[in-house]
Amino acid sequence: QKEVEQNSGPLSVPEGAIASLNCTYSDRGSQSFFWYRQYSGKSPELIMFIYSNGDKEDGRFTAQLNKASQYVSLLIRDSQPSDSATYLCAVDFGNEKLTFGTGTRLTIIP
Amino acid sequence: EAEVAQSPRYKITEKSQAVAFWCDPISGHATLYWYRQILGQGPELLVQFQDESVVDDSQLPKDRFSAERLKGVDSTLKIQPAELGDSAMYLCASRQGQYNSPLHFGNGTRLTVT
Repeated sequence: QKEVEQNSGPLSVPEGAIASLNCTYSDRGSQSFFWYRQYSGKSPELIMFIYSNGDKEDGRFTAQLNKASQYVSLLIRDSQPSDSATYLCAVDFGNEKLTFGTGTRLTIIP
Repeated sequence: EAEVAQSPRYKITEKSQAVAFWCDPISGHATLYWYRQILGQGPELLVQFQDESVVDDSQLPKDRFSAERLKGVDSTLKIQPAELGDSAMYLCASRQGQYNSPLHFGNGTRLTVT
């Protein structure tokens, strides 16, 4: 069974601080990893994707991948109230479909 | 930027009635997915198409759900009869390539079964 695990939260972070979101997955042979943001009542929107071990930065967002430990994380620097949302981790286990975690609800406190 | 089109945005139906959702993927995207998302949970795959062929429908409740993509472009997901437990967001997504490309989601259809 291929699984993606996330802490459902809620995770509360003060405005301007760094928010750290974590995700673990079950299959060491997984190919690619995605972070989506979902506002309440809306559909998921892509934030970042990562394939190789290490860090990938895009503006205030950094994705970190450690395939040996089977985890992927998302860091949000200088957190803003508009970052308050549910963050979904998704993994392609090499079967050309994405398996999603349950999501972590993030609240940025002004 | 090209988008995945879905309709309707909202649907309220009574249990035992039939309901249908429509999706038009981004032009050129051969792979199309239907996901269901229950409130508080992550999206779960119902069916995956490659062009007009079903690649994976192992999680589709086939006694009441059906999906088609006859010409390999737009797709329809149908539920008949609807049950109370079908209340959820139904998300359509398309993908240009394979494992190294992201899914692009439509706005979704929020279904409420009463």
